[in-house]
Amino acid sequence: DVKVTQSSRYLVKRTGEKVFLECVQDMDHENMFWYRQDPGLGLRLIYFSYDVKMKEKGDIPEGYSVSREKKERFSLILESASTNQTSMYLCASSHPQGSWGQPQHFGDGTRLSIL
Amino acid sequence: AQKVTQAQTEISVVEKEDVTLDCVYETRDTTYYLFWYKQPPSGELVFLIRRNSFDEQNEISGRYSWNFQKSTSSFNFTITASQVVDSAVYFCALSEAETGNQFYFGTGTSLTVIP
Repeated sequence: DVKVTQSSRYLVKRTGEKVFLECVQDMDHENMFWYRQDPGLGLRLIYFSYDVKMKEKGDIPEGYSVSREKKERFSLILESASTNQTSMYLCASSHPQGSWGQPQHFGDGTRLSIL
Repeated sequence: AQKVTQAQTEISVVEKEDVTLDCVYETRDTTYYLFWYKQPPSGELVFLIRRNSFDEQNEISGRYSWNFQKSTSSFNFTITASQVVDSAVYFCALSEAETGNQFYFGTGTSLTVIP
């Protein structure tokens, strides 16, 4: 079974802090994704990556950046956290590039609160 | 414009009742995939089913069944004889050939099964 592990289930940070959310997958997937989930809005794509050192903006990239230095790890960075970034963050991975339409496999999520 | 619409925000049923979750999608692609995911209270999205645009056959898996109708752009999900363990948020998603591995999620339907 695919395992996607997010480093924290719950995280509390202060406004202005730099925040790192880490995600690791163990299935050698090329594709990795970061979403945020808010009530009534569903899942919205922040950034995704098709390979090491590659990144693409999703629908709501403002205020976020990402890092993909190793294939198994995809980090989401809040450069200067703000209260409107309080949310549930979900990481996902999927089968290699060139084989589109494969299911995405999700981690347990990180519930981030910015005070 | 929303590519995937789940008009039912919340549904409550009594245990053993049947329930149908609606999903309507919008795409110009002739080649696409549709998905259903379940998100229990623990938070992790669990993949349930994938259907490609060329396969309109309905599918049944135990108490779960899916009705795909291209004529109405719908991919509805029915749970027969619901159980308390079915209580979760259910998401429908679309993946198009044009945008490759990017998913478009609906806003989700929260299902509560009352014992």
